[in-house]
Amino acid sequence: KAGVTQTPRYLIKTRGQQVTLSCSPISGHRSVSWYQQTPGQGLQFLFEYFSETQRNKGNFPGRFSGRQFSNSRSEMNVSTLELGDSALYLCASSLGGYPYEQYFGPGTRLTVT
Amino acid sequence: QKEVEQNSGPLSVPEGAIASLNCTYSDRGSQSFFWYRQYSGKSPELIMSIYSNGDKEDGRFTAQLNKASQYVSLLIRDSQPSDSATYLCAAPEAAGYNQGGKLIFGQGTELSVKP
Repeated sequence: KAGVTQTPRYLIKTRGQQVTLSCSPISGHRSVSWYQQTPGQGLQFLFEYFSETQRNKGNFPGRFSGRQFSNSRSEMNVSTLELGDSALYLCASSLGGYPYEQYFGPGTRLTVT
Repeated sequence: QKEVEQNSGPLSVPEGAIASLNCTYSDRGSQSFFWYRQYSGKSPELIMSIYSNGDKEDGRFTAQLNKASQYVSLLIRDSQPSDSATYLCAAPEAAGYNQGGKLIFGQGTELSVKP
């Protein structure tokens, strides 16, 4: 079974721009969760989508948004990029129910200059 | 707010030794726990899941859960240099329906296995 895929793998953007990241979950998985990982803050939860609906949300500003399509693929958008948004963005795929095992994609490394 | 705590390390063990990684959690209602391994520059990889009190073994890895003490651990037997990585402990924020999509992660323990 193919794993979680994320595109692009690397991205360099300028402050003020916006960016869209994509995630394709494992076949049959209906839940996609997004995380931001930085050296100082560790893994921080952004949001989770299940059956095209946002089911959980973390404590990030409204500049961070997402959506999920009918095929379970998900996108994450960050508008008005700030230098502090430089991070590894990870998506994780799961069936969506207990015990909530999540499988991570390779991540997108975003650098904001 | 649920918390998951780990010793940040680094933990250094000689090749062939047992590495012991520990994690404590704040929510007595937690039902499932996960150990992830993350190599430098890579994404986390799920290596063990545990849901019941006691031990769960998978090859050289053993996860141990003690719900009364709110403690979960990971033992790596016959440690190899290739086990050198950061190990992350995680649990769903809540056990209720529709609440499990958010995992709370510890800060991770960096393990170094010396040849």
